[in-house]
Parts: sequence; C-alpha cells; structure tokens
Amino acid sequence: DAKTTQPPSMDCAEGRAANLPCNHSTISGNEYVYWYRQIHSQGPQYIIHGLKNNETNEMASLIITEDRKSSTLILPHATLRDTAVYYCIVRWVGSQGNLIFGKGTKLSVKP
Amino acid sequence: GAVVSQHPSRVICKSGTSVKIECRSLDFQATTMFWYRQFPKQSLMLMATSNEGSKATYEQGVEKDKFLINHASLTLSTLTVTSAHPEDSSFYICSAPSPGQETQYFGPGTRLLVL
Repeated sequence: DAKTTQPPSMDCAEGRAANLPCNHSTISGNEYVYWYRQIHSQGPQYIIHGLKNNETNEMASLIITEDRKSSTLILPHATLRDTAVYYCIVRWVGSQGNLIFGKGTKLSVKP
Repeated sequence: GAVVSQHPSRVICKSGTSVKIECRSLDFQATTMFWYRQFPKQSLMLMATSNEGSKATYEQGVEKDKFLINHASLTLSTLTVTSAHPEDSSFYICSAPSPGQETQYFGPGTRLLVL
C-alpha cells in the first residue's frame, strides 16, 4: 500500500470547516484513499473513501486532486465532538488485508 | 450499519494471570478479523490476523504462544493474553472487513491494565 503524509496536528474553530490534507504521491491506479478517525479511547471510525472523483457523505467530503497525489478531507461545520486523530490510508479496494495506520493528524476543534 | 463489539471494555488484572478479550461481528459474518494494539500516544499496530477455521497469522515480533487467538465462528474471535505482564498493558482493538470488503469496521477497544 502507498505511504501517506499528514500534518501531525491542526486546530479548527467550532462551526468552521476543517480541511485536513494528505499527500500520497506514490498511489497507484487501483488504490483508493480512505479516511478514518479515532476519538480518544475509542476504536477507529470509517469516514469516507474515494478513487478519483470527489465524494460526499453525511460526515464529510473528500476532494482528490486530478493527479491523485493528494487529497483533502473536509468537515464542513466542525464541532467539539470532531476532535480526534484523523488517518488517511491508501489501499486496494476489496483488499482483505489489514489497514496500515500512520500517525495521522490530531484535529483539535476549539470553541 | 455493521457493528463490531468487544468485551470487556476494560480489564485490570494481576501480573501472571491470563485475560481473554472477545471480538464479535454483530450483524455480519467475518472469516477474517484483525487484532491491533495501541500504546499511549502511538498509532495502531497490527498484532495478528484471525482466520476462521485455521490458524492465526502473527506479525513479526508478536509471540503466538503469549497472544492466543481463536476464531471459533464466523462472528467471534478471541484474543487471550497469557501470563500477562505490566508491559502488556495497552489498548487492544479488533476489526473485521465489511461484507463487501470495501472497508473495515472496528470494535470499541479493550483497555488492559496489568498490575
């Protein structure tokens, strides 16, 4: 699986959009970009994934650049409950293997 | 949506005792489950892959005789930490692939403290 690079931490004001970047310059054509988050002392939670088109669900939006070498997870209206570590992971869809977690980005949403 | 549960959520035990942690897929079947360990301020690290009907596959550096894994059914995998020591204190998390293999669902984790 391709390696990803994320900033170690970010702050965001409550109610504002949180934009979390991820670089994955070695991504291959069949690899998807996945985002998970882990709230303190809980198991990781799936957020969203995409291949090359932008994706949106009830939790977030995923913007993938045209060359697919980077992406941005957008939380449109961050709340205090969105404070968590956010992990960007690249993997083959349908892979039966485990997920490989990097260090992620610690997002702190402040009032 | 699909849910993975773990039991217990936290456990405190004495050094030298064994602790069993259960991981269940509640509304779907999982022939494979994964066990991760997470130390404070660190990321999740895969310990082993649990396979229904066959032996578990362990990552390098993880002692198979210490961390016993049994995938008894398509909805249950157990991790037993044998002869636990304080250095085994950690947050243990299991996961299972979603029915369509598109993603993975994680359990809420088990906090183990060995005194």
